[in-house]
Order: sequence, then structure tokens, then C-alpha cells
Amino acid sequence: AQSVTQPDIHITVSEGASLELRCNYSYGATPYLFWYVQSPGQGLQLLLKYFSGDTLVQGIKGFEAEFKRSQSSFNLRKPSVHWSDAAEYFCAVGVMEYGNKLVFGAGTILRVKS
Amino acid sequence: DTGVSQDPRHKITKRGQNVTFRCDPISEHNRLYWYRQTLGQGPEFLTYFQNEAQLEKSRLLSDRFSAERPKGSFSTLEIQRTEQGDSAMYLCASSSQPSGTGNTIYFGEGSWLTVV
Repeated sequence: AQSVTQPDIHITVSEGASLELRCNYSYGATPYLFWYVQSPGQGLQLLLKYFSGDTLVQGIKGFEAEFKRSQSSFNLRKPSVHWSDAAEYFCAVGVMEYGNKLVFGAGTILRVKS
Repeated sequence: DTGVSQDPRHKITKRGQNVTFRCDPISEHNRLYWYRQTLGQGPEFLTYFQNEAQLEKSRLLSDRFSAERPKGSFSTLEIQRTEQGDSAMYLCASSSQPSGTGNTIYFGEGSWLTVV
């Protein structure tokens, strides 16, 4: 069965420091991978997506993610974190056989220290 | 593009009552999804429609839950005889049909349900 693991429940970084959020997936075929961000009480906003091609994808708000098939990973990175980046981040895999429904990880809460 | 719209945003109901949530997808998106999210968890898939046809339902969708998309546009999610365990945020999302290269699923702001 498809699954997504986000090993870190909480991460705290200082403003201006670099960030890496980890995501590992389990999926039998070529995955479609997504990162979403959610502010408290709000819906999900798409940060970036990987479908095929270049394994380093750029997203909004200065985020990027790298797909590594050999490690079944799709880690999210940002070189310099801003206080407004504090939110919860979800990694998801798209299951094409079932209408491209998304299977989400449990999320990583990012706290930013000033 | 007005985005995915959900109503109401918040609902408090007594146990045993029925509630209905409405979702208006992005216009011309033929796929519509419902997800449920509880505190500290990622969203979990409930069901999806392609146009008016409901093509898949999760085991999470008990017989107290029913979803419709009568004209292939807006959708409703009804929960009958609510239980405290139904307290969650119900997220609606929509997408266009995949073209073979994948597609993007856009989410609404969610409808919070609190059952007391």
C-alpha cells in the first residue's frame, strides 16, 4: 500500500537559517510527489510538485525539493527561513490508479525562532 | 479562478444531529475530492467524484456519511447521527482530469466540525 513518512513531528530553526524537511514514500510505480503547507485553521496550499523530469523542483516562497528515487525520498529545503514560514508542512504521494488521490504524511510542524 | 470554496467554515452540533457541508470546486474541474483531517494528522482520503459519478469511497466513509455531486459541479457531504469522533476538519479539493503527466489538486479552506 502507498504510504508517506515524515520522520520529524516538530522542527525548530532560527530565522535566516537553512531548513530541510524529510519525506520518504512507499509506492510501487513512478510517484507523483507534492509538498503542501498549512497555516493553523486553514486549508492546504501547494508549495511544489514533482511529476517527471528534473529531480530538483522549485516551488513558491523560495522552497525547493529533490526527488531521489534510490532513497525513496522527496525532501523539502529552503536556504533561509523567514518567520512567516512557521506552519505545518505535508508531503503527499499521488496515487494515479485511484483518480490521483493523495496519500499524506502526518506532517511536520515548523517553528521559527527570532 | 476563484478557488475551491467551502461552507460553512465552522459548525458546532450536538451529538446525534445531522450536518451538511457544501463544496464549490474550481470551475471546469471535473474531479472533486473530500478529505478528513483530525488534529495532529495529515488529511485522509474519503471519496472522489469524476463529474457526477462517485468513483471511490474510503473505508473511513461509514454508512452515516453520504456525498453527492448531482450536476457535476458543487458537492455536498452529509453526516447523519453525528458522533464525537466525527469532530474534524473536512477538506474539499478539486482537479482537472489527468493528462498523463499528472495534475494538481487544489484544496479549499476546510469546514471545521465540532460535535458536542
